[in-house]
Amino acid sequence: DAEITQSPRHKIIETGRQVTLACHQTWNHNNMFWYRQDLGHGLRLIHYSYGVHDTNKGEVSDGYSVSRSNTEDLPLTLESAASSQTSVYFCATLRAHGETQYFGPGTRLLVL
Amino acid sequence: GEDVEQSLFLSVREGDSSVINCTYTDSSSTYLYWYKQEPGAGLQLLTYIFSNMDMKQDQRLTVLLNKKDKHLSLRIADTQTGDSAIYFCAELGQAGTALIFGKGTTLSVSS
Repeated sequence: DAEITQSPRHKIIETGRQVTLACHQTWNHNNMFWYRQDLGHGLRLIHYSYGVHDTNKGEVSDGYSVSRSNTEDLPLTLESAASSQTSVYFCATLRAHGETQYFGPGTRLLVL
Repeated sequence: GEDVEQSLFLSVREGDSSVINCTYTDSSSTYLYWYKQEPGAGLQLLTYIFSNMDMKQDQRLTVLLNKKDKHLSLRIADTQTGDSAIYFCAELGQAGTALIFGKGTTLSVSS
Protein backbone atom coordinates (compact mmCIF):
# COMPACT_ATOMS: atom_id res chain seq x y z
CA ASP A 1 0.00 0.00 0.00
CA ALA A 2 1.14 3.53 -0.70
CA GLU A 3 2.10 5.43 2.41
CA ILE A 4 3.93 8.33 3.99
CA THR A 5 6.64 7.69 6.57
CA GLN A 6 8.71 9.90 8.81
CA SER A 7 11.98 9.21 10.54
CA PRO A 8 13.13 9.32 13.19
CA ARG A 9 9.92 9.12 15.23
CA HIS A 10 11.68 10.58 18.27
CA LYS A 11 14.87 12.63 18.51
CA ILE A 12 16.74 14.46 21.26
CA ILE A 13 19.49 16.86 20.25
CA GLU A 14 21.57 19.61 21.80
CA THR A 15 21.09 23.28 21.04
CA GLY A 16 23.16 24.39 18.07
CA ARG A 17 23.34 20.98 16.43
CA GLN A 18 22.09 20.29 12.93
CA VAL A 19 19.38 17.70 12.43
CA THR A 20 17.46 16.45 9.42
CA LEU A 21 14.00 14.97 9.64
CA ALA A 22 13.06 12.62 6.83
CA CYS A 23 9.73 12.37 5.04
CA HIS A 24 9.14 9.72 2.39
CA GLN A 25 5.97 9.02 0.40
CA THR A 26 5.14 6.35 -2.10
CA TRP A 27 2.03 7.95 -3.60
CA ASN A 28 4.02 9.89 -6.17
CA HIS A 29 2.26 13.08 -5.03
CA ASN A 30 3.77 16.32 -6.28
CA ASN A 31 2.79 18.42 -3.26
CA MET A 32 4.50 17.91 0.10
CA PHE A 33 4.32 19.93 3.31
CA TRP A 34 5.99 20.25 6.68
CA TYR A 35 4.02 21.43 9.71
CA ARG A 36 4.91 21.81 13.34
CA GLN A 37 2.41 21.22 16.11
CA ASP A 38 2.66 23.08 19.38
CA LEU A 39 0.29 23.38 22.30
CA GLY A 40 -1.87 26.44 21.87
CA HIS A 41 -0.91 26.92 18.23
CA GLY A 42 -2.36 23.95 16.41
CA LEU A 43 -0.45 23.09 13.23
CA ARG A 44 1.61 25.73 11.46
CA LEU A 45 3.12 25.45 8.02
CA ILE A 46 6.93 25.50 7.84
CA HIS A 47 7.80 24.80 4.20
CA TYR A 48 6.13 23.21 1.22
CA SER A 49 6.97 21.98 -2.23
CA TYR A 50 4.92 21.66 -5.41
CA GLY A 51 7.38 19.39 -7.15
CA VAL A 52 11.00 18.46 -7.72
CA HIS A 53 13.36 21.40 -7.17
CA ASP A 54 10.47 23.58 -5.95
CA THR A 55 10.41 24.83 -2.34
CA ASN A 56 8.42 27.58 -0.65
CA LYS A 57 8.38 29.19 2.77
CA GLY A 58 5.42 28.81 5.04
CA GLU A 59 4.27 30.75 8.08
CA VAL A 60 7.13 29.70 10.40
CA SER A 61 10.09 28.99 8.09
CA ASP A 62 12.87 30.76 10.02
CA GLY A 63 15.53 28.29 11.17
CA TYR A 64 14.38 25.55 8.77
CA SER A 65 15.27 24.52 5.24
CA VAL A 66 14.02 21.88 2.81
CA SER A 67 15.18 20.45 -0.47
CA ARG A 68 13.31 18.41 -3.08
CA SER A 69 15.60 16.35 -5.27
CA ASN A 70 12.97 13.71 -6.10
CA THR A 71 9.22 13.24 -5.87
CA GLU A 72 9.28 10.86 -2.91
CA ASP A 73 11.29 12.81 -0.32
CA LEU A 74 11.17 16.20 1.38
CA PRO A 75 13.76 16.30 4.17
CA LEU A 76 13.50 19.09 6.73
CA THR A 77 16.77 20.45 8.12
CA LEU A 78 17.32 22.48 11.26
CA GLU A 79 20.72 24.06 10.64
CA SER A 80 21.33 25.10 14.24
CA ALA A 81 18.63 23.77 16.50
CA ALA A 82 17.10 26.05 19.13
CA SER A 83 14.99 25.12 22.16
CA SER A 84 12.07 26.95 20.53
CA GLN A 85 12.13 24.26 17.84
CA THR A 86 11.13 21.58 20.32
CA SER A 87 7.91 20.39 18.76
CA VAL A 88 6.11 17.60 16.94
CA TYR A 89 6.74 17.75 13.21
CA PHE A 90 4.31 16.40 10.64
CA CYS A 91 4.88 15.83 6.98
CA ALA A 92 1.92 15.73 4.59
CA THR A 93 1.30 15.09 0.92
CA LEU A 94 -1.37 16.14 -1.53
CA ARG A 95 -2.04 14.78 -5.00
CA ALA A 96 -3.71 17.83 -6.50
CA HIS A 97 -5.40 21.09 -5.67
CA GLY A 98 -8.53 20.67 -3.61
CA GLU A 99 -7.88 17.06 -2.70
CA THR A 100 -7.17 15.59 0.69
CA GLN A 101 -3.87 16.02 2.50
CA TYR A 102 -2.48 12.86 4.07
CA PHE A 103 -0.28 13.10 7.12
CA GLY A 104 2.67 11.10 8.32
CA PRO A 105 2.86 9.77 11.88
CA GLY A 106 4.99 12.67 13.14
CA THR A 107 8.45 13.19 14.62
CA ARG A 108 8.82 14.33 18.22
CA LEU A 109 11.90 16.54 18.50
CA LEU A 110 13.34 17.72 21.80
CA VAL A 111 16.09 20.35 21.70
CA LEU A 112 17.99 20.64 24.97
CA GLY B 1 -5.24 37.21 6.81
CA GLU B 2 -6.46 33.68 6.97
CA ASP B 3 -7.48 32.41 10.39
CA VAL B 4 -9.42 29.50 11.81
CA GLU B 5 -10.89 29.57 15.32
CA GLN B 6 -12.18 26.71 17.45
CA SER B 7 -13.21 26.29 21.04
CA LEU B 8 -10.44 24.47 22.88
CA PHE B 9 -12.30 21.94 24.97
CA LEU B 10 -15.56 19.97 24.96
CA SER B 11 -16.72 17.39 27.48
CA VAL B 12 -19.67 15.07 26.87
CA ARG B 13 -21.12 11.87 28.28
CA GLU B 14 -21.05 8.62 26.36
CA GLY B 15 -24.12 8.29 24.15
CA ASP B 16 -24.72 12.03 23.89
CA SER B 17 -24.14 14.04 20.73
CA SER B 18 -21.04 16.21 20.44
CA VAL B 19 -20.93 19.42 18.44
CA ILE B 20 -17.58 21.01 17.66
CA ASN B 21 -17.69 24.48 16.17
CA CYS B 22 -15.26 26.34 13.96
CA THR B 23 -15.15 29.74 12.30
CA TYR B 24 -12.92 30.73 9.43
CA THR B 25 -12.10 34.02 7.76
CA ASP B 26 -11.33 33.25 4.12
CA SER B 27 -14.62 33.43 2.28
CA SER B 28 -12.95 32.06 -0.84
CA SER B 29 -12.09 28.75 0.82
CA THR B 30 -13.25 25.96 -1.44
CA TYR B 31 -12.77 23.05 0.92
CA LEU B 32 -13.10 22.73 4.68
CA TYR B 33 -11.85 19.73 6.59
CA TRP B 34 -12.14 17.96 9.90
CA TYR B 35 -9.16 15.97 11.13
CA LYS B 36 -8.93 13.78 14.23
CA GLN B 37 -5.78 13.27 16.25
CA GLU B 38 -5.60 10.56 18.88
CA PRO B 39 -2.92 10.78 21.61
CA GLY B 40 0.57 10.28 20.23
CA ALA B 41 -0.68 9.80 16.69
CA GLY B 42 -0.78 11.75 13.46
CA LEU B 43 -3.78 13.44 11.89
CA GLN B 44 -6.52 11.35 10.39
CA LEU B 45 -8.92 12.89 7.90
CA LEU B 46 -12.47 12.47 9.19
CA THR B 47 -14.45 14.27 6.56
CA TYR B 48 -14.46 17.34 4.36
CA ILE B 49 -17.05 19.53 2.74
CA PHE B 50 -16.97 21.51 -0.45
CA SER B 51 -17.99 25.14 -0.10
CA ASN B 52 -21.09 24.80 -2.30
CA MET B 53 -22.60 22.30 0.14
CA ASP B 54 -24.59 23.07 3.30
CA MET B 55 -24.42 19.68 4.90
CA LYS B 56 -22.64 16.38 4.60
CA GLN B 57 -23.46 13.24 6.53
CA ASP B 58 -21.23 10.22 6.94
CA GLN B 59 -22.47 7.60 9.39
CA ARG B 60 -22.28 9.22 12.86
CA LEU B 61 -20.72 12.39 11.52
CA THR B 62 -22.65 15.41 10.26
CA VAL B 63 -20.90 18.50 8.94
CA LEU B 64 -22.84 21.74 8.65
CA LEU B 65 -21.52 24.72 6.74
CA ASN B 66 -22.92 28.22 7.02
CA LYS B 67 -20.98 30.04 4.35
CA LYS B 68 -22.61 33.41 5.09
CA ASP B 69 -21.38 33.32 8.70
CA LYS B 70 -18.20 31.37 7.82
CA HIS B 71 -19.15 28.79 10.41
CA LEU B 72 -18.45 25.08 10.25
CA SER B 73 -19.58 22.46 12.72
CA LEU B 74 -18.98 18.77 13.26
CA ARG B 75 -21.66 16.75 15.01
CA ILE B 76 -20.83 13.29 16.32
CA ALA B 77 -23.92 11.27 17.14
CA ASP B 78 -23.89 8.67 19.93
CA THR B 79 -20.44 9.74 21.09
CA GLN B 80 -18.23 6.90 22.31
CA THR B 81 -15.17 6.88 24.55
CA GLY B 82 -13.13 6.04 21.44
CA ASP B 83 -14.09 9.42 20.03
CA SER B 84 -11.96 11.13 22.69
CA ALA B 85 -9.31 12.99 20.71
CA ILE B 86 -8.33 16.40 19.41
CA TYR B 87 -10.39 17.57 16.45
CA PHE B 88 -8.93 20.07 14.01
CA CYS B 89 -10.86 22.25 11.65
CA ALA B 90 -8.90 23.33 8.56
CA GLU B 91 -9.53 25.43 5.51
CA LEU B 92 -7.77 25.29 2.19
CA GLY B 93 -5.55 28.35 2.04
CA GLN B 94 -5.43 30.86 -0.76
CA ALA B 95 -2.49 29.06 -2.32
CA GLY B 96 -4.89 26.21 -2.94
CA THR B 97 -2.81 23.47 -1.43
CA ALA B 98 -1.63 24.28 2.10
CA LEU B 99 -4.13 23.96 4.92
CA ILE B 100 -4.80 26.56 7.59
CA PHE B 101 -5.57 24.80 10.86
CA GLY B 102 -7.44 25.82 13.95
CA LYS B 103 -5.80 25.18 17.31
CA GLY B 104 -7.86 22.05 17.84
CA THR B 105 -10.74 21.09 20.14
CA THR B 106 -10.05 18.44 22.76
CA LEU B 107 -13.09 16.19 23.08
CA SER B 108 -13.36 14.28 26.34
CA VAL B 109 -15.98 11.54 26.56
CA SER B 110 -16.90 10.17 29.98
CA SER B 111 -18.71 6.91 30.56
